[in-house]
Amino acid sequence: DGGITQSPKYLFRKEGQNVTLSCEQNLNHDAMYWYRQDPGQGLRLIYYSQIVNDFQKGDIAEGYSVSREKKESFPLTVTSAQKNPTAFYLCASSIVPGVRSDTQYFGPGTRLTVL
Amino acid sequence: AQKITQTQPGMFVQEKEAVTLDCTYDTSDPSYGLFWYKQPSSGEMIFLIYQGSYDQQNATEGRYSLNFQKARKSANLVISASQLGDSAMYFCAMRGEMNRDDKIIFGKGTRLHILP
Repeated sequence: DGGITQSPKYLFRKEGQNVTLSCEQNLNHDAMYWYRQDPGQGLRLIYYSQIVNDFQKGDIAEGYSVSREKKESFPLTVTSAQKNPTAFYLCASSIVPGVRSDTQYFGPGTRLTVL
Repeated sequence: AQKITQTQPGMFVQEKEAVTLDCTYDTSDPSYGLFWYKQPSSGEMIFLIYQGSYDQQNATEGRYSLNFQKARKSANLVISASQLGDSAMYFCAMRGEMNRDDKIIFGKGTRLHILP
């Protein structure tokens, strides 16, 4: 079954710690994305990558970092510099980035809570 | 700047009735795409339907249809014969051809409650 997996489903972090959220896809999609969702809000783009070894900042990249060493994987690190990291994080992928009809498909999400 | 507006924060609808979820958008792009996603309580965003700005006909996918009125800049989602499983958050989203960020702009969503 093709799809996008995110792990862990729930993550707790102490203040001052870095944490890494995993995102893997076996859809052979070129592009991958990380979004953040706060309660009662829509999604905001953190980072995206249209090709291996390349990625771009989205609207709210400060305090986050990513890597794209493999087509299938796009991990997100939430650093201690992110002042308010408690949120729901969604990873997505798409086939043909930059085309208006290109649909993004999402993983199940990771809920991060800072204690 | 591109913007999506969903004016209904919450809706209650009787099971088996049809539902219309409102979405208006603003863009200066001549070519753009409109999307609807469903987010159940589990959190995953599920793609429902897509409408291109130059598509001649309104998009349909099973019980979902998109009432696209380009002049009014509206892209309302219509769910026919609603079911209890339709209870969820629904997000309208847009991507423009000239979107340099390659991102989809999301509205704030509408929470739909289907009543038995």
